[in-house]
Amino acid sequence: DAKTTQPNSMESNEEEPVHLPCNHSTISGTDYIHWYRQLPSQGPEYVIHGLTSNVNNRMASLAIAEDRKSSTLILHRATLRDAAVYYCILRRYNFNKFYFGSGTKLNVKP
Amino acid sequence: KAGVTQTPRYLIKTRGQQVTLSCSPISGHRSVSWYQQTPGQGLQFLFEYFSETQRNKGNFPGRFSGRQFSNSRSEMNVSTLELGDSALYLCASRGTGSYNEQFFGPGTRLTVL
Repeated sequence: DAKTTQPNSMESNEEEPVHLPCNHSTISGTDYIHWYRQLPSQGPEYVIHGLTSNVNNRMASLAIAEDRKSSTLILHRATLRDAAVYYCILRRYNFNKFYFGSGTKLNVKP
Repeated sequence: KAGVTQTPRYLIKTRGQQVTLSCSPISGHRSVSWYQQTPGQGLQFLFEYFSETQRNKGNFPGRFSGRQFSNSRSEMNVSTLELGDSALYLCASRGTGSYNEQFFGPGTRLTVL
């Protein structure tokens, strides 16, 4: 199963953009890239996902490298409520099997 | 629309006992997945049920089992509990045909003494 590598922690100032990196050098052509986040004392929640092209939604943007061996989750303006553990996950096409890595703990300073 | 609910929220058991956890998915969702979260191992996939059939399975011993009922509610059972089974057990549901977004419940915190 393909694995992801993320920094253990990152820090950001409120109202500033945050770029959360993820390496997935063993990704296969049928693996989707998903991002979930887990706020304190809650279950994970979906943030965004993509396959090859960059994606935007109301929560964030996902930038995927051309060779797909890395991706970056972009929070355009961090708020205190964005403080959470962010997980970059690979999911094989047509399988609902998510392998969570250790994630990046994002701290947002006021 | 109500979210994913899990019962009980907290549970304390002793080694050797067995435990059953329950998960009610979002109305209309037929897929339920279970995860174990521990500080050391992080979030690990246990198994997925869809229309009462197990579709995917993670790398856990046979002491961990599950089932799904016709109303899509799911139960997870752990037999012969070990201290290392202490964890937050999360379930997630998703809509039919959608592999994109899973909706997680708040989890059941199991403590094994």
